[in-house]
Order: sequence, then structure tokens, then C-alpha cells
Amino acid sequence: EAAVTQSPRNKVAVTGGKVTLSCNQTNNHNNMYWYRQDTGHGLRLIHYSYGAGSTEKGDIPDGYKASRPSQENFSLILELATPSQTSVYFCASGDRRANSDYTFGSGTRLLVI
Amino acid sequence: GQQVQQSPASLVLQEGENAELQCNFSSTATQLQWFYQSPGGSLVSLLSNPSGTKHTGRLTSTTVTKERRSSLHISSSQTTDSGTYLCAIDPPSGSWQLIFGSGTQLTVMP
Repeated sequence: EAAVTQSPRNKVAVTGGKVTLSCNQTNNHNNMYWYRQDTGHGLRLIHYSYGAGSTEKGDIPDGYKASRPSQENFSLILELATPSQTSVYFCASGDRRANSDYTFGSGTRLLVI
Repeated sequence: GQQVQQSPASLVLQEGENAELQCNFSSTATQLQWFYQSPGGSLVSLLSNPSGTKHTGRLTSTTVTKERRSSLHISSSQTTDSGTYLCAIDPPSGSWQLIFGSGTQLTVMP
């Protein structure tokens, strides 16, 4: 079954450390997205990609980088993690060309101490 | 920028009652999708309904595009329907990026 898989499910990081969140999709969707979800802010778009090799800034890209080395994989990188980046992160895939719905991963809970 | 407003923010029902959730958006949308999120869980797509009326199971969504509003009707609610319902739109400007509302938190009491 087509799916979006995120890893790790939970992560504790130290302030100033590097964190990489991984996402893999088997939907063969062109587009992939990283959102964060915080109480009071809802879901906010960080970075997205139209395909392998492309990354685009979303609404709140500061402090985050993204990497799309292949159709299936999309990573979110926090080079210097800060406590304000404590959140739940969701990866999603979708494809306007295929008129397909968004599919979300199970989320990664990140705590930066 | 584009905004998505959902109401009510929270709703408490007795099992068996019907729920009516609203979504209003500030400009035209080429795609509108309703999601369900269980407490501490991920987002599950319920319906895509950019216009007209769609049914699936106990869910009915009606979107009136020119009035920039959509509703989600849940009939005969069950305790397992408890969770957050999110409305998201994809505005027509270029890239496909869903913009989410803040959600309606539904609690169904036994």
C-alpha cells in the first residue's frame, strides 16, 4: 500500500546540535512537503519539493534546510537546533498532475533541550 | 494572504447526534480537502471536495465555491469520531500547497 513513512518517530536533541528528519514515500508523487504543527498555530509549511533535486521555501523556512535526493526521499535538516523548533513535524506527498489527495506520514515529535 | 477559518473551534455531542463543521476561505481554491486527526495522531484524508456535494459513509461535504465556504456533516456520530477535523485549500496560484485552518475539535460522549 502506498504510504509516507517518517523517521524517527521521536527525537530528543541538544540545543546547537544537528537534526535530520527523514521521509520516504511510495506514492510516486512528484511533490513532497514538510509541515510543523504547534498548538495555537496549526499546520505550517516549512519546505516543499517538486521532484528530485528541487527544494522550495514554504512559509516558515528560517532555521531549516531540505534535501530531495530522489523521488522517494525528502529530508528536513536543522543545522543548529533551537528549543523553539520543538514541535511535531509532518511529511506529506501529493501530485496535482495525478489529481491525488495529500498523504501524510505519522509525524516526528522533536524535543530540543 | 490566503486564510482558512473553521468553526466552531470545538464541539461536544452525545453519541448519535449529527455534527456540522464549517470552513470559510478568503479566496478561490482549486482544491479543498477535509482531514481527520486523532489525538496525538497523523492526518487522514476524509474527502476532497472543491465544489458541489460529496458523500462517503456517514460524511457529507458541500462546497459552494463562489461563496468560499465548505461544510462537513457527520451523521449519527460515534465516540470514535472524536478528534480534530481540519479543512485545507489549495489556492490557484501556481504550486500545490495546502493551507490549513486551525481545525474543529470534536468530542463525542457515550
